[in-house]
Amino acid sequence: SQQGEEDPQALSIQEGENATMNCSYKTSINNLQWYRQNSGRGLVHLILIRSNEREKHSGRLRVTLDTSKKSSSLLITASRAADTASYFCATADRGGKLIFGQGTELSVKP
Amino acid sequence: SAVISQKPSRDICQRGTSLTIQCQVDSQVTMMFWYRQQPGQSLTLIATANQGSEATYESGFVIDKFPISRPNLTFSTLTVSNMSPEDSSIYLCSGAEVRLSNTEAFFGQGTRLTVV
Repeated sequence: SQQGEEDPQALSIQEGENATMNCSYKTSINNLQWYRQNSGRGLVHLILIRSNEREKHSGRLRVTLDTSKKSSSLLITASRAADTASYFCATADRGGKLIFGQGTELSVKP
Repeated sequence: SAVISQKPSRDICQRGTSLTIQCQVDSQVTMMFWYRQQPGQSLTLIATANQGSEATYESGFVIDKFPISRPNLTFSTLTVSNMSPEDSSIYLCSGAEVRLSNTEAFFGQGTRLTVV
């Protein structure tokens, strides 16, 4: 079963622009994670934010978490063509089980 | 983080046959999971592979269709039984070391299955 929704489902931007993706979830969580997937291959872990954190940075990535609204956002700054991929949020329970959102397909045009 | 190897990386199978996918982790992990990703869709959890006992299946998935083994802390298999074209998907293995609120999962490259 899916945890919630991500929006937008697809996003097309120019290189250098920022990309923002949003994720909503339904249940209480231990942490929330963002993953990238290139062309139906394996998932690459991007960033993890704990339920007691509100914002986290990693390089060009910025993640926010609002547990009162059960939502998270991923911001990619100064996007590059190589950022073109599908991005998924996933909520984790204490046992490490992940429930994924629907994903956002990002296209960055050179 | 640990590295997960999955075999095969892809396969084309006849309907009615079964395929066993292997997942090898390069270090011991507490938890292992199997996911399915149908074409153009997100990942759906099939089951949690429990070491030394029966897997825990999510709603909509049953042991007869997706038998899972986990003989030790570094290895698991998923079998897709009596396949039909609807089973054509990417199957992904995941491992996680449970650490308080910081449990991070990592994934194999997946097995792309086509049933004809």
